[in-house]
This record gives sequence, structure tokens and C-alpha cells, in this order.
Amino acid sequence: KAGVTQTPRYLIKTRGQQVTLSCSPISGHRSVSWYQQTPGQGLQFLFEYFSETQRNKGNFPGRFSGRQFSNSRSEMNVSTLELGDSALYLCASQDQGAGANVLTFGAGSRLTVL
Amino acid sequence: KNQVEQSPQSLIILEGKNCTLQCNYTVSPFSNLRWYKQDTGRGPVSLTIMTFSENTKSNGRYTATLDADTKQSSLHITASQLSDSASYICVVIRAGGFKTIFGAGTRLFVKA
Repeated sequence: KAGVTQTPRYLIKTRGQQVTLSCSPISGHRSVSWYQQTPGQGLQFLFEYFSETQRNKGNFPGRFSGRQFSNSRSEMNVSTLELGDSALYLCASQDQGAGANVLTFGAGSRLTVL
Repeated sequence: KNQVEQSPQSLIILEGKNCTLQCNYTVSPFSNLRWYKQDTGRGPVSLTIMTFSENTKSNGRYTATLDADTKQSSLHITASQLSDSASYICVVIRAGGFKTIFGAGTRLFVKA
């Protein structure tokens, strides 16, 4: 069974640009959640999608958005990038609602904003 | 306020020694608690999941304990190996909406 796949693994952007990150969950998993990880803040919850609907949302500005497709693949988008958006962005999938099963994480997308 | 606090922030031990990492939480109502191991540059990997009724759970050299009354958990690593060098993250799931609250993690360094 393939794990959670995130692309790209690394990317560099400049302030003001926008970025789209992709996450393919484990086959059969319908829940995908996104997290931002920075050295000083640890893991911060961004949002969770379940069956194409956003079900939970963290405390991030509207520049951070996401969506989920019918095949459960998910994308997150960050617009008008700021230096503080530099972080490791992780997605995780599970086959039921949040909290019901083990979160399986991808390797992450490392974003650097210059 | 729903919070998860881990201690120590970082820890250095010699290979072969044991260590214990702590996690205190104020999350309520409680659903379950999980310990994750995160190697540098990789995503976290689940070590254990503990529900309200479980006191101890082992996964190889890793043993997690949970005291739901005092809202404390610990992760004990026995006979540490160099490969145990990683961040260990305590995660508490809040019941009713299943909100996930992450601790800041403990960074463990195992030295030869």
C-alpha cells in the first residue's frame, strides 16, 4: 500500500507569489489534513477535508486555502506569500473522520520564501 | 484552554541508556493520546495510540503510559539507539469534533 505522497518536496518562492502544494492520500482514505511546521511553533493545524468538504479549520489567515478532489487528493494554496510562511507543510490522511484513526503523514513539502 | 505541553524541550543521552519524555495536557473532553516520532526532514510516524481506559502500551523499546486522572503521559525509551535521535511529538485528540492538539515536541539526541 503506497503511503501519503506530497509534491513538490522542496520549493523556493519570493514574497508576494503564490504556491500550490499537492497531497495524495493512502488509497481508500477520505480524510486529508494539512499542517504547518516551523522550528519555533511546532505542528500547527491548517485544515481538514473529508469527502471533498472542509470539515475543520485552524487559525490561519484566508491566504491559506485548500480543496479536495473526488479521488481524495488534496491541494493547498498559499497566496501573497510572506517570509513567515517558510515552513515544512505536512499532510496526513486517515480513512475515517478526524481522531478516529492513526494519522499517516507524508514526507512534507519544504517551502522557502525569500 | 486546550493545551499539550511536553518536557524536556530537548534531551541528550548516551547510546544504550534509557530516557523518559513527558506530556501534560489540559484537553477536555479527552478522546485519545498519541505519540509520534519525527526524523529530521520527514513526516511524523505513529508510535502508540492510547485511549482513556489504557494505562500502558508498548511498541518494541517504546513504552507509553497514560494517567487520565492527572492528564499526564510519558514515553519511555529503553536501551536507546542512535536511530532514536528524533523529535517526539505528543498529540491529544479532543472528543466532540475530534480537534487535534499537538505538543511542541521533545528533541532527543542519542550520542555514541
